[in-house]
Amino acid sequence: QSVLTQPPSASGTPGQRITISCSGSNSNIGTNTVNWYQQLPGTAPKLLIYSNNQRPSGVPDRFSGSKSGTSASLAISGLQSGDEADYYCATWDDSLSVVFGGGTKLTVL
Amino acid sequence: QLQLQESGPGLVKPSETLSLTCTVSGGSINSGSYYWGWIRQPPGKGLQWIGSISYSGSPYYNPSLESRVTISVDTSKNQLSLRLSSVTAADTAVYYCARQTAFVVGPGAMSSYFQHWGQGTLVTASS
Repeated sequence: QSVLTQPPSASGTPGQRITISCSGSNSNIGTNTVNWYQQLPGTAPKLLIYSNNQRPSGVPDRFSGSKSGTSASLAISGLQSGDEADYYCATWDDSLSVVFGGGTKLTVL
Repeated sequence: QLQLQESGPGLVKPSETLSLTCTVSGGSINSGSYYWGWIRQPPGKGLQWIGSISYSGSPYYNPSLESRVTISVDTSKNQLSLRLSSVTAADTAVYYCARQTAFVVGPGAMSSYFQHWGQGTLVTASS
């Protein structure tokens, strides 16, 4: 069981906007900032969003992040077939650990 | 451009020690602003943080693995190392090394993320 809870799957059609949720607790999301990683099939994870809502250079503004209380969300607008991937949320936990969500597999129909 | 490359045996016998090296190129492991971490992913499963270490050599580990893990840096070789003892089949995974940024953003609040990742190496624990 992962410390952070994500839905195991999500889906959408091309052009649609979807959101992926990530739920934690006061000791992790409630206190610290949230990051999101995208893992395309057969590749290493890639940082998509850091510090709740910041995009690294090169990440399209179709991807956005938000945080409220002990939950966070990743939104993808203008969904594309190339967005099919696993998405993981992660944050620092006050137990002096990095914690990940279980991952959400995004399917573009 | 920063690159990280994991290397080591792809097969380890149960009860033995897994040893991996991560070679960093395009940047110095000595950079005071960053940490260096190991993350693993069992086949078909999610990501698990193993531990991280600062350039000065201060490590911190996942509490669930702490009794078996040692992470170290060799600044002369620009390398990061992982040792995991007493492996079992449950330790079979793709192991990634990554550069970690971590800083305080407010009272008691941290921002910590992995921006650069190696390609990963599969280690199978089997006799």
